[in-house]
Amino acid sequence: GAGVSQSPSNKVTEKGKDVELRCDPISGHTALYWYRQSLGQGLEFLIYFQGNSAPDKSGLPSDRFSAERTGGSVSTLTIQRTQQEDSAVYLCASSHQGVGTGELFFGEGSRLTVL
Amino acid sequence: DQQVKQNSPSLSVQEGRISILNCDYTNSMFDYFLWYKKYPAEGPTFLISISSIKDKNEDGRFTVFLNKSAKHLSLHIVPSQPGDSAVYFCAASTGNQFYFGTGTSLTVIP
Repeated sequence: GAGVSQSPSNKVTEKGKDVELRCDPISGHTALYWYRQSLGQGLEFLIYFQGNSAPDKSGLPSDRFSAERTGGSVSTLTIQRTQQEDSAVYLCASSHQGVGTGELFFGEGSRLTVL
Repeated sequence: DQQVKQNSPSLSVQEGRISILNCDYTNSMFDYFLWYKKYPAEGPTFLISISSIKDKNEDGRFTVFLNKSAKHLSLHIVPSQPGDSAVYFCAASTGNQFYFGTGTSLTVIP
């Protein structure tokens, strides 16, 4: 596609439910990042995929969070047993190289609200 | 621990004047610095970047300055335009990791 596409754009869920957020990166981009932005906070790194390498999961805040990237393209971020503190905008970004010299191209984000 | 800090949450500037957005970082291993601009309900978009081997990079109305000894980065916008009103994020990277500041909301008053 022309840009990074994320879905859903908005998700309201009840505490304890599982949610899945989807990211479709720019075609040909090998690197894919997930960030989240909580109210009044900066962009918090969650996870990074680069090609077929093992993902860098160092930013995932708890074992309730997981992500996968199928076929080196589309990625799904899953949050199990959601908590109110998970409420945030979840941003996906892709990059051609992802090695610190390429810019990140962001999607519009998925706004998650946990009631 | 916040490795990239933007201490001014907001800034207001008159149209035509210079806007100066500041950013401080703590990790001397950062080798690339970027500025992103974000409008409401949109994802951040890349604005300008600078490598750690340089101290200045200019692109039209936008100039980024890097002071490595002070671990300080700034973005100058001149002349400022109402369309520049947005949240500006500073980012720093090393390897494949990007660290973002909390953002500065710029309002350019017509």
